[in-house]
Amino acid sequence: EDQVTQSPEALRLQEGESSSLNCSYTVSGLRGLFWYRQDPGKGPEFLFTLYSAGEEKEKERLKATLTKKESFLHITAPKPEDSATYLCAVRGGKAAGNKLTFGGGTRVLVKP
Amino acid sequence: DTAVSQTPKYLVTQMGNDKSIKCEQNLGHDTMYWYKQDSKKFLKIMFSYNNKELIINETVPNRFSPKSPDKAHLNLHINSLELGDSAVYFCASRYRGETQYFGPGTRLLVL
Repeated sequence: EDQVTQSPEALRLQEGESSSLNCSYTVSGLRGLFWYRQDPGKGPEFLFTLYSAGEEKEKERLKATLTKKESFLHITAPKPEDSATYLCAVRGGKAAGNKLTFGGGTRVLVKP
Repeated sequence: DTAVSQTPKYLVTQMGNDKSIKCEQNLGHDTMYWYKQDSKKFLKIMFSYNNKELIINETVPNRFSPKSPDKAHLNLHINSLELGDSAVYFCASRYRGETQYFGPGTRLLVL
């Protein structure tokens, strides 16, 4: 069965203090690793999809990277508006029903 | 120009009642999903429909019954509600690519 573990569970940062979130996964036939951002009371908002080891994607202060066992979401010089829960998910192959398996998320709080 | 919408946003009800949650997407996607997010924030898939056909049915009590009247709609009916059903339910949709787009969620509280 596909598994996703995110660490840390919570992260407190000062504005401008860069950090990284970890997503470790085991999946049969990876068909994509996804990062979502979820604000309180809202649905997950898509950020990135990574498909193969070595791939990187960037959006503003966020950069996602992928290896064969884990993905990192780097937050560079964060601002208070980057405060949210960041969710990682993997999509397995047909044997897994092509479904998304989510990790428990990392709650990020950026203080001004 | 809402992409994935759900109604109602909040639902408070008594144990034993039957309730429905509706989901609509205007993205032209052909696959739709229902997820449950518990108090610990884990998102778990419940069902998936592709072109009105059920393709994923996780281990969900048969009190939960999805219905897809057309490609743009996927409703969730829950019979005999229990306390443990309290959670946030999210609808999502996907086209042929990998990315799923989520609705705003329905917060269900069973008293």
